[in-house]
Amino acid sequence: KNQVEQSPQSLIILEGKNCTLQCNYTVSPFSNLRWYKQDTGRGPVSLTIMTFSENTKSNGRYTATLDADTKQSSLHITASQLSDSASYICVVSENTGFQKLVFGTGTRLLVSP
Amino acid sequence: GAVVSQHPSWVICKSGTSVKIECRSLDFQATTMFWYRQFPKQSLMLMATSNEGSKATYEQGVEKDKFLINHASLTLSTLTVTSAHPEDSSFYICSARPTSGKITRPSTDTQYFGPGTRLTVL
Repeated sequence: KNQVEQSPQSLIILEGKNCTLQCNYTVSPFSNLRWYKQDTGRGPVSLTIMTFSENTKSNGRYTATLDADTKQSSLHITASQLSDSASYICVVSENTGFQKLVFGTGTRLLVSP
Repeated sequence: GAVVSQHPSWVICKSGTSVKIECRSLDFQATTMFWYRQFPKQSLMLMATSNEGSKATYEQGVEKDKFLINHASLTLSTLTVTSAHPEDSSFYICSARPTSGKITRPSTDTQYFGPGTRLTVL
């Protein structure tokens, strides 16, 4: 069964600190992996997208890594800000006609002042 | 670019009534749109895939007669929750996958999400 698991479920860090979120997946055939940020009561917003051949992708203070061999990805947030408080969702796309998305359960991040 | 809007953003209705939610791609055309439901502290769950000009494809366990989907144009899909009940209260999110449009290099591999609609059934 295609699954995406994320850890930790929730995380509290102090403003200015760094953190790393983890994502393990079993989706096959694999097309790409995205990290989304979802603010409470809002739709997901894409942060990064990586294909099979990409190991790392950055978007400002967000850096995602992908190890296609071990089927693991991470999202590193540098110098966290209060506005980073949100749910971060790892989403893997199946390499099929409809490019079906398999969603992780998300990591809820709270950045405390 | 690649903006998807939803209307309304929040709706409260009485049990037994029907509610229509609109999803629009504002600056691109989308042959395919998706409807998701999200319960508190859970991830998005795909309800159905909507294709312009044809019937929607529903995920297992989703009642097609209860959740009516109409994708009448390349920029608009609607989800109607019929005879809504309190257990239908949820956050409904749509997404759209570009086929063509005015935005630069629209990624046909990417789904762009709307801001969501909060439905509360009393």
